[in-house]
Amino acid sequence: TQLLEQSPQFLSIQEGENLTVYCNSSSVFSSLQWYRQEPGEGPVLLVTVVTGGEVKKLKRLTFQFGDARKDSSLHITAAQPGDTGLYLCAHRAQKLVFGQGTRLTINP
Amino acid sequence: EPEVTQTPSHQVTQMGQEVILRCVPISNHLYFYWYRQILGQKVEFLVSFYNNEISEKSEIFDDQFSVERPDGSNFTLKIRSTKLEDSAMYFCASSERTSGYEQYFGPGTRLTVT
Repeated sequence: TQLLEQSPQFLSIQEGENLTVYCNSSSVFSSLQWYRQEPGEGPVLLVTVVTGGEVKKLKRLTFQFGDARKDSSLHITAAQPGDTGLYLCAHRAQKLVFGQGTRLTINP
Repeated sequence: EPEVTQTPSHQVTQMGQEVILRCVPISNHLYFYWYRQILGQKVEFLVSFYNNEISEKSEIFDDQFSVERPDGSNFTLKIRSTKLEDSAMYFCASSERTSGYEQYFGPGTRLTVT
């Protein structure tokens, strides 16, 4: 089983601050995905990164896939309360294998 | 926009009882999945289903679990004799194809076993 470790597990910051959360593994992946999950809902796909070193932007969210395709990061610029949620990285094969997530809270 | 739906949203049952969790996948999707998330833990794969049979299952998916597509729209997860440790959120997902295609998740059913 290819394990994904996410850090930090919890992060609470003030509105307007920047933050980065990480997804790490000792395994090499063909791709990694980032999901966001809000309370009472299922995970929603944000992005898939495929190429080593790839950077994808989704408004204020920047996703990067490590050069060696073993890790990924999510950077949020000027965080807003609406960014609050559980951010999950996952490896996609036939099934999805998730990390344990980073629970992000943005305080107004 | 098409979405995966699940019923009920919350199910409370006594230990030893059978429960059936229901899902309606997106209509043109061919691959169906169940995942579960115990409170405070990661989302875990249970089973994938294609062409009316299980294509992959995890260690969690033991003989107490079964899945069925009883008609053209529903996809169900049955737990025959629930245990306290089955308490979790159960998510159904579907995808148009396997591997390279996005899995769309339903809102989940919260199962509480007392």
